Amino acid sequence: AQKITQTQPGMFVQEKEAVTLDCTYDTSDQSYGLFWYKQPSSGEMIFLIYQGSYDEQNATEGRYSLNFQKARKSANLVISASQLGDSAMYFCAMREGVGVKTSYDKVIFGPGTSLSVIP
Amino acid sequence: GAVVSQHPSRVICKSGTSVKIECRSLDFQATTMFWYRQFPKQSLMLMATSNEGSKATYEQGVEKDKFLINHASLTLSTLTVTSAHPEDSSFYICSARPTSGRAWGTQYFGPGTRLTVL
Repeated sequence: AQKITQTQPGMFVQEKEAVTLDCTYDTSDQSYGLFWYKQPSSGEMIFLIYQGSYDEQNATEGRYSLNFQKARKSANLVISASQLGDSAMYFCAMREGVGVKTSYDKVIFGPGTSLSVIP
Repeated sequence: GAVVSQHPSRVICKSGTSVKIECRSLDFQATTMFWYRQFPKQSLMLMATSNEGSKATYEQGVEKDKFLINHASLTLSTLTVTSAHPEDSSFYICSARPTSGRAWGTQYFGPGTRLTVL
C-alpha cells in the first residue's frame, strides 16, 4: 500500500500567487517526520521544509510553510508569492521507524507533483 | 549547508560491464547513507540503506548481487551495478544522514548519477 499520496500530478500557478501542494500519508508510528523536497530539471534534490510529528506548530521556511493536520494525516506544502524558479517537481517524503524499528528508519517518497509557474 | 557529492555525474557503458558510483559526504560524517533510483517522470525509489562498517539493507525486490553497496568509511559509500543491462539505465541518487546534529537527521542528497547502458 502506498504510504504517501500526492493527488496532484501537475499544478499551474500564476507568478506571485500562492499555491498549495497536497500530501497525505499513512503510518502507524507515533513518532515520524515529514519532508518536502524540490527537484528541478537538473535532478538535484533540494530540501525545503521539515515537520516532526510532535511539533505543535506548523513549520515555516521563508516562502514555504507546511500545513500539518495530524488527525487527517496530511502535510500540505504552501508556497507563497510563487516565482518562475519555483517550477519543478515537488516530493513529499516521510521518515518513520526511528528508534525501535531501526531497520525501517528510512525516508520514502510520494509520487510527486509537477508545478509550473506561469508568468 | 551540508554537501554530498556523487561521481560520476553521467556514465554510458556497454551491456555486461560493471559501473561503480561513489557518494561522498564532504563536510560531515554519515553513519547511514541511502541509495535511490529514479526513472523518468517517476518518484525516487529506495534501493538500499548503507551503514558504515556493516552490510547494506536492501529493499524488497532489489537484487543485492546486482547492486553491490560498500560503506567503507563515514564519508564514502559506493554502489556498483554489476553486469549492467539496458533496463538498469536510470538516475541513481544517494543521500547521507549526518551522524550528529538534529535528532531527526535531515538527509542531504547528492546531485545524482545518470546511467545509460547501451
